Amino acid sequence: GAGVSQSPSNKVTEKGKDVELRCDPISGHTALYWYRQSLGQGLEFLIYFQGNSAPDKSGLPSDRFSAERTGGSVSTLTIQRTQQEDSAVYLCASSLARNNEQFFGPGTRLTVL
Amino acid sequence: QKEVEQNSGPLSVPEGAIASLNCTYSDRVSQSFFWYRQYSGKSPELIMSIYSNGDKEDGRFTAQLNKASQYVSLLIRDSQPSDSATYLCAVNPEGGYNKLIFGAGTRLAVHP
Repeated sequence: GAGVSQSPSNKVTEKGKDVELRCDPISGHTALYWYRQSLGQGLEFLIYFQGNSAPDKSGLPSDRFSAERTGGSVSTLTIQRTQQEDSAVYLCASSLARNNEQFFGPGTRLTVL
Repeated sequence: QKEVEQNSGPLSVPEGAIASLNCTYSDRVSQSFFWYRQYSGKSPELIMSIYSNGDKEDGRFTAQLNKASQYVSLLIRDSQPSDSATYLCAVNPEGGYNKLIFGAGTRLAVHP
């Protein structure tokens, strides 16, 4: 079946602009996660959604970052007033079972000029 | 701070050899453990998961878990040049649906 999809694959923006990144999880997966990976760095957790529970926002680096998940499926990560340090690959993952095997999408490479 | 530690490498092995990748974690109550492979410029790909002490084999891959020593490893038998990638160890510290804590990864280079 189809895997996790993300759009856009690449986004170049100017400092101070807002950006929206989209994630479409694997059909039927109830949990959705956002991570980011800066150049040469490990994966950093941002936020996750599970069913109708309140999202775990503990990894969001500042209040410029927000995310929502509509209808228990598609999620949008919004970064307001982007800064150069926001440049990274933003990865979305989804999981089905309580064993929490997470499957990643191809990522969105964000470059802030 | 919950941490996952990996040797950054590169780990260089000849084709056909066994590659051994190691990972330690700090949170004793961690529940489940994962190995991801990440090719340069690509996203992580899940290759192994392990939940109980001991070994778990899948093809050329064997994951080993020792919760008492807080240690998880990945063995790749008959290494191929196509196995050259960065291998990420990830830990689910609390069980169930939860964020994963990732190590920085070990770069593996398999040379012909």
